[in-house]
Amino acid sequence: NAGVTQTPKFQVLKTGQSMTLQCAQDMNHEYMSWYRQDPGMGLRLIHYSVGAGITDQGEVPNGYNVSRSTTEDFPLRLLSAAPSQTSVYFCASSYAGSGTGYTFGSGTRLTVV
Amino acid sequence: GQQVMQIPQYQHVQEGEDFTTYCNSSTTLSNIQWYKQRPGGHPVFLIQLVKSGEVKKQKRLTFQFGEAKKNSSLHITATQTTDVGTYFCAGGSNYQLIWGAGTKLIIKP
Repeated sequence: NAGVTQTPKFQVLKTGQSMTLQCAQDMNHEYMSWYRQDPGMGLRLIHYSVGAGITDQGEVPNGYNVSRSTTEDFPLRLLSAAPSQTSVYFCASSYAGSGTGYTFGSGTRLTVV
Repeated sequence: GQQVMQIPQYQHVQEGEDFTTYCNSSTTLSNIQWYKQRPGGHPVFLIQLVKSGEVKKQKRLTFQFGEAKKNSSLHITATQTTDVGTYFCAGGSNYQLIWGAGTKLIIKP
């Protein structure tokens, strides 16, 4: 089925560990982004990309890296996990400027202990 | 920086009552989008408003964009149990949406 696929769905990390959250879309969307969602705070943009080879920082980029080597994939790397990074992470994609909104993945629930 | 304030944080209604959530931006928005997130789920796009004073309807849902393009509202008529969830507004450029904190619609038992 067409859409945005995120893996893993759940992850527990120890403080200081690193990991990569995977995101893939098969809709040929130029725009992809990563958000974190914390209770009562809505969604906050971490990083985004407007096409392969192009990435930029969002509102809360510290502690995270991204790359966009293909149109389909946009992985998010946590460099050295901290308890403050405990959150739900969503990947989203869209056709830029289309008015069709973002398509979200089902999310990754990350706990850092 | 740019902020989008959304109120109320929660709204408890009896099934069949109406529900409204409001968003206000500190700056003029190029567009505003609305999303619904069911409990434990992910945000799902509902609609985008672009024009000053625009009003759009989707069955029992009515979306409005203010004349100054700084505020917006979502009104649900005669709520049903399927409407339960959190409704978010998001405004700004297409590449950097600023999200409201959401309004959680709760149906009283």
